[in-house]
Amino acid sequence: EAQVTQNPRYLITVTGKKLTVTCSQNMNHEYMSWYRQDPGLGLRQIYYSMNVEVTDKGDVPEGYKVSRKEKRNFPLILESPSPNQTSLYFCASSPRRGTEAFFGQGTRLTVV
Amino acid sequence: AQKVTQAQTEISVVEKEDVTLDCVYETRDTTYYLFWYKQPPSGELVFLIRRNSFDEQNEISGRYSWNFQKSTSSFNFTITASQVVDSAVYFCALSEPSDRGSTLGRLYFGRGTQLTVWP
Repeated sequence: EAQVTQNPRYLITVTGKKLTVTCSQNMNHEYMSWYRQDPGLGLRQIYYSMNVEVTDKGDVPEGYKVSRKEKRNFPLILESPSPNQTSLYFCASSPRRGTEAFFGQGTRLTVV
Repeated sequence: AQKVTQAQTEISVVEKEDVTLDCVYETRDTTYYLFWYKQPPSGELVFLIRRNSFDEQNEISGRYSWNFQKSTSSFNFTITASQVVDSAVYFCALSEPSDRGSTLGRLYFGRGTQLTVWP
């Protein structure tokens, strides 16, 4: 089954404790990205990747890192999480320009 | 400025009523793509439709229909004979391929419209 898999689905952590949210897709898509969703703000892009070893900032990259060492994986790293990073995070992948983006199930992160 | 505006934050209707969700977008590109996604209470994002800027034909899929009007930069979504299962947050989104690295990775989302359908 074609899918984008995020882990974990839920996470509560403390300020400053490094964490990684994994994202994996099995569709051989070139393009992957991360979004965060906050109430009243919709979804905003954090980082995207056009291919292996090619990443770039989206609209709200501060406090996040990403890497794309393999085509299928695109982890999101929070080196020192803060409470303002409490949010619902989505990973997405797509095969080419203008086509449908496939989204993961979402990761609900709470930083206390 | 918001590239995608969904002016309706919340809409409530009673089952079987028709409801239209508005979406207004802003772009300088001549080629662009518009999308609608549904987010049910379970939280996942469900793709509903993609429309490219060269195709202004309205589309109907069962109870769902979309009205794309370039003249007013709008891409409105109508649910006919709404049902309780239609209750969700609906997002409109824009992709601009000319945007560096846009592809589909750079979707600009509106803030969403919470639709509640009462039995």
